[in-house]
Amino acid sequence: RKEVEQDPGPFNVPEGATVAFNCTYSNSASQSFFWYRQDCRKEPKLLMSVYSSGNEDGRFTAQLNRASQYISLLIRDSKLSDSATYLCVVNKQAGTALIFGKGTTLSVSS
Amino acid sequence: SAVISQKPSRDICQRGTSLTIQCQVDSQVTMMFWYRQQPGQSLTLIATANQGSEATYESGFVIDKFPISRPNLTFSTLTVSNMSPEDSSIYLCRRGQGRETQYFGPGTRLLVL
Repeated sequence: RKEVEQDPGPFNVPEGATVAFNCTYSNSASQSFFWYRQDCRKEPKLLMSVYSSGNEDGRFTAQLNRASQYISLLIRDSKLSDSATYLCVVNKQAGTALIFGKGTTLSVSS
Repeated sequence: SAVISQKPSRDICQRGTSLTIQCQVDSQVTMMFWYRQQPGQSLTLIATANQGSEATYESGFVIDKFPISRPNLTFSTLTVSNMSPEDSSIYLCRRGQGRETQYFGPGTRLLVL
């Protein structure tokens, strides 16, 4: 089983749609979870951390289920500018190496 | 936000040669990380560069192929040695010190002919 698995997509949605990405991780000892965004030909950038209680940042909601080792990202009211690859990221503890999923590609069209 | 720079930003190299990539961060960090992103793939960790000790390599990566230096707390280099076309990739460094400071450098795009 891969350390971090994601549905690669692509997800093609119209503007205004709600889209959800899922991710599973294999190491039950993992402590920190993140969603990164990577635009074409750019470096990945931290989108948001994922907390056990679930957290929201504007149109973005992240959730974590430790029992199922499952992470999700929900994007509401999609914008054209949301088109990117979304990377699910896990590490064992703060300050250590990040393990990246292969990413899920989102394309939002008008 | 933290500033991380990499040099060169891109290069085209002949097989059999070596390229050293530099990563400079704007504040002292204990750990720096080197990643590779091959075309169409996600990021793969090559090694963790610790100041004052040898780098720690991930499975599939060895020091002879990817020697790393970490002379101080703001700088690191990664050398891609004896390159082959399979080494064509984007190489990224990342600073790591606490969950909030997870910034990547802009990457070095390498093409090996």
